[in-house]
Amino acid sequence: EVQVVESGGGLVQPGGSLRLSCAASGFTVSSNYMSWVRQAPGKGLEWVSVIYSVGTTYYGDSVKGRFTISRDNSKNTVYLQMNSLRPEDTAVYYCARGAGGSGWYSYDMWGQGTMVTVSS
Amino acid sequence: QSVLTQPPSVSGAPGQRVSISCTGSSSNIGANFDVHWYQQVPGTAPKLLIYGNNNRPSGVPDRFSGSKSGTSASLAITGLQAEDEADYYCQSYDSSLSGFYVFGTGTKVTV
Repeated sequence: EVQVVESGGGLVQPGGSLRLSCAASGFTVSSNYMSWVRQAPGKGLEWVSVIYSVGTTYYGDSVKGRFTISRDNSKNTVYLQMNSLRPEDTAVYYCARGAGGSGWYSYDMWGQGTMVTVSS
Repeated sequence: QSVLTQPPSVSGAPGQRVSISCTGSSSNIGANFDVHWYQQVPGTAPKLLIYGNNNRPSGVPDRFSGSKSGTSASLAITGLQAEDEADYYCQSYDSSLSGFYVFGTGTKVTV
């Protein structure tokens, strides 16, 4: 079955760190661009980060300098390392597959999401 | 902050037609980047509904259609059904310094 499954969410204190994982099956993560998209409670979708098939990475302004996207081709998994977490980072984090190696295609596959709560 | 603006809500009776607008600018939709649409039932992940402005993935009913003109795009739902009650988001690419992949503000469709 072609799917992505996120894990690693949880409760963390402000200033803390967390690493999210996105395990893919049925396709190779290095052949597509992969993104993280988040959704704060009761709010809309916000693009967070992307890693292209060639390894280039980009970030949204709200997470630049604090979050790092990476992938392990041997595990067919994409990661999001989140440091210096703030209460406003509280959200469901979705892993999504871009329908191409890079560029401006649609996200044709989404995981079920993992919840991150930043609170003391 | 979303750079693509959608109406907060639209509603219609079963069988009716509704339309959702997505207004962007010269750095995204107006720059000829494709617009995609997603449907999200509360409590579930978004699902691709329309890609490349007006294309439906396999399995999406032809009641859903998309269009694009200038700096705006639209999603139309004809023959509205109860199962269409959900949140809908447009998405595109933005070439400005703070850009990349941008989503619309989202529209709640009530049947």
